[in-house]
Amino acid sequence: DARVTQTPRDKVTEMGQEVTMRCQPILGHNTVFWYRQTMMQGLELLAYFRNRAPLDDSGMPKDRFSAEMPDATLATLKIQPSEPRDSAVYFCASGLGQGAGELFFGEGSRLTVL
Amino acid sequence: AQSVTQLGSHVSVSEGALVLLRCNYSSSVPPYLFWYVQYPNQGLQLLLKYTTGATLVKGINGFEAEFKKSETSFHLTKPSAHMSDAAEYFCAVSEYNNNDMRFGAGTRLTVKP
Repeated sequence: DARVTQTPRDKVTEMGQEVTMRCQPILGHNTVFWYRQTMMQGLELLAYFRNRAPLDDSGMPKDRFSAEMPDATLATLKIQPSEPRDSAVYFCASGLGQGAGELFFGEGSRLTVL
Repeated sequence: AQSVTQLGSHVSVSEGALVLLRCNYSSSVPPYLFWYVQYPNQGLQLLLKYTTGATLVKGINGFEAEFKKSETSFHLTKPSAHMSDAAEYFCAVSEYNNNDMRFGAGTRLTVKP
């Protein structure tokens, strides 16, 4: 049963600490998206990749956030330093790289920054 | 860039009643339209999608949506609500020439016994 896997599922950390979230896309998918979900802002697109190359990260605060794909089976989203306003659920989704294709979502990483 | 607007952040219906969740889109090219559902503490799951062809699209769990180009709408309906339909529903749009999928703010559906 192919699925997008995200770790950690839950993370509580203190302000100023580095946080790294990981995502394993579905094998064979060549697009990967990072979304952030909060009550106030809803679902926001942070960044996305096609064939491991970043296509758009304009939704991401550049000073503290970074997203990478070290290889086709791993995407990472890093926050350094973390702030309380970063508290949210972060979703990774993968797809087959076509506009008509659906995205498959992971179960999310819930981040709480104290 | 393309975008969607979901009218109504909360919708409440009685069990057995019609469900209607509204979505309007904006796109400079023919859009691809999607409805996703999110249950508590889970990721989003695809309900249905419109790409080309028939404008009435049927999805899982008895949901369907109709693409109306003249109204730039893609409303989601279900004839008879079930308690298990209670969830958050997201409309989304992408375009043929990019992979940038944009989501609406979501509509929380409550089903009353």
